[in-house]
Amino acid sequence: SQTIHQWPATLVQPVGSPLSLECTVEGTSNPNLYWYRQAAGRGLQLLFYSVGIGQISSEVPQNLSASRPQDRQFILSSKKLLLSDSGFYLCAWSRSIDSLYQETQYFGPGTRLLVL
Amino acid sequence: DAKTTQPTSMDCAEGRAANLPCNHSTISGNEYVYWYRQIHSQGPQYIIHGLKNNETNEMASLIITEDRKSSTLILPHATLRDTAVYYCIVRTGYGQNFVFGPGTRLSVLP
Repeated sequence: SQTIHQWPATLVQPVGSPLSLECTVEGTSNPNLYWYRQAAGRGLQLLFYSVGIGQISSEVPQNLSASRPQDRQFILSSKKLLLSDSGFYLCAWSRSIDSLYQETQYFGPGTRLLVL
Repeated sequence: DAKTTQPTSMDCAEGRAANLPCNHSTISGNEYVYWYRQIHSQGPQYIIHGLKNNETNEMASLIITEDRKSSTLILPHATLRDTAVYYCIVRTGYGQNFVFGPGTRLSVLP
């Protein structure tokens, strides 16, 4: 079966510090990978998605970046965190063979980031 | 995007069936209806999805009306652990993201 891992679970960082969040998927090959952010009491905002190694698409302009150094590894980074970067960060994966209309995304446990 | 409308909150007695409605009157012919839930402080959990036929899995049943303008998620025997926010989503086929609205906050009461 497939499993998605995210770490750390919780992170408190000062403004201006760097960020690195990691997501890995087990039990599948060539998954589509996604980074979302959920502000408190709000819906999910898609940040980045990747359909393969080194292929990253960004949905919104921001001071965050993403990388996919390996097939099942997705990293979210920032050089300098802002207060507005606080939120719940979710990684998700889907099967690349799924059609666009019937693509089920499976979410990880999330990382709660607080920027002070 | 096909918009969905769900009640803000619902209560259900433990052991009874929870029926969560969703309206999606602008759904188009090739768009699927997806249901996820999010328990506090956790990532969204996939429940079920369907196109036009009713679907059932180990977690729930999905009933889609014949005109596909609405659907109902049924949790047959709700437990306290089913307390969560339930999201009804229509997969648009444009872009790569799922658009999660405010959802329905289901409270299962002892």
